[in-house]
Amino acid sequence: DAMVIQNPRYQVTQFGKPVTLSCSQTLNHNVMYWYQQKSSQAPKLLFHYYDKDFNNEADTPDNFQSRRPNTSFCFLDIRSPGLGDAAMYLCATSLAGALDTQYFGPGTRLTVL
Amino acid sequence: QKEVEQDPGPLSVPEGAIVSLNCTYSNSAFQYFMWYRQYSRKGPELLMYTYSSGNKEDGRFTAQVDKSSKYISLFIRDSQPSDSATYLCATRAGTASKLTFGTGTRLQVTL
Repeated sequence: DAMVIQNPRYQVTQFGKPVTLSCSQTLNHNVMYWYQQKSSQAPKLLFHYYDKDFNNEADTPDNFQSRRPNTSFCFLDIRSPGLGDAAMYLCATSLAGALDTQYFGPGTRLTVL
Repeated sequence: QKEVEQDPGPLSVPEGAIVSLNCTYSNSAFQYFMWYRQYSRKGPELLMYTYSSGNKEDGRFTAQVDKSSKYISLFIRDSQPSDSATYLCATRAGTASKLTFGTGTRLQVTL
């Protein structure tokens, strides 16, 4: 089945220790998104790629970076995680122009010690 | 004021009940409306997608949009324990604009 895959599902890191979260998709969608979702809150868009074009949200901290080496993969790098960065990180994809419906992965739950 | 407001619940109903979940929004430019279901510790799953005002039905689920009052609803008929999840409404102004989510309503369907 075509899908959005996130690895790892659970990640524990130490305060200030860089961490990379991974997303891959078999849908061949050209748009990929990263969201941060804290407990009982709405998903918050961090940034998205439209093909190779990177679009950062204005309020996304510089601590968060992203890479998209090819259509299928996208990475979220947190350079110096703080306690406030503990959250569920959701990757989503969409096919631009086809109602732009977003399909989400299962998420990576990040714990910062 | 948040662009999309949603009562967080929790909402507890007995099996077989009709459930009504609602959101209000403030931006009149929003045209596309979605409902996502999110099980605990999982990613959101698209349930319903509607454009502009009107109703859309899919099995036990009906989505309703009233743009004049900026009110969107999701009705679940014959609710089942497997419907227990958090339901997020989401909206966007155009097909290329970003999604704005509500905070989600947690639903518990009891036996």
